Amino acid sequence: GESVGLHLPTLSVQEGDNSIINCAYSNSASDYFIWYKQESGKGPQFIIDIRSNMDKRQGQRVTVLLNKTVKHLSLQIAATQPGDSAVYFCAENGAAGNKLTFGGGTRVLVKP
Amino acid sequence: DTAVSQTPKYLVTQMGNDKSIKCEQNLGHDTMYWYKQDSKKFLKIMFSYNNKELIINETVPNRFSPKSPDKAHLNLHINSLELGDSAVYFCASSYSGPKDTQYFGPGTRLTVL
Repeated sequence: GESVGLHLPTLSVQEGDNSIINCAYSNSASDYFIWYKQESGKGPQFIIDIRSNMDKRQGQRVTVLLNKTVKHLSLQIAATQPGDSAVYFCAENGAAGNKLTFGGGTRVLVKP
Repeated sequence: DTAVSQTPKYLVTQMGNDKSIKCEQNLGHDTMYWYKQDSKKFLKIMFSYNNKELIINETVPNRFSPKSPDKAHLNLHINSLELGDSAVYFCASSYSGPKDTQYFGPGTRLTVL
């Protein structure tokens, strides 16, 4: 069945370092992937997305990498800042095409 | 300007009561969603509506009844509240479907005592 998961539940990062958040998915038919950021007490906020015809996409300080061979998705945050402290979710739009399935979330803690 | 808004922000109620959560989006989107986030932060879709029509009903108990009076509003009514309904409920919207970016509201924290 479909599943989206994260390897690390909590990631502690020194301010200024780069962060990498990983996500595995099991549905090889998934063709659209998204990363969301959720700050405490707020709703998830879109960060970046990628379609299955790409393996890399860059935004402002963020890069998403997609490896379809091993069904792995990662989010890289460059020069992590205190404002990056949040829970990060990956999500996929799978074979059914009519809904997003969210992973369990990774908490990123930025140490000053 | 708030894109997706929900009311109330917090809702505390007794078991067995009936309550409603309202959602409005001013983005001109056609599709709206309700998600439930449990205490472990797991987010799961409950319903989606496209232009007032139900598209997804994810095996949600029929005590939960969404209503979309127009495409800018999607309300959630819950009958006979149970302890297990305690969670944060998020409304979201997207331009036409789930492969468009979904914009989430601030959430409604429901606590059932």
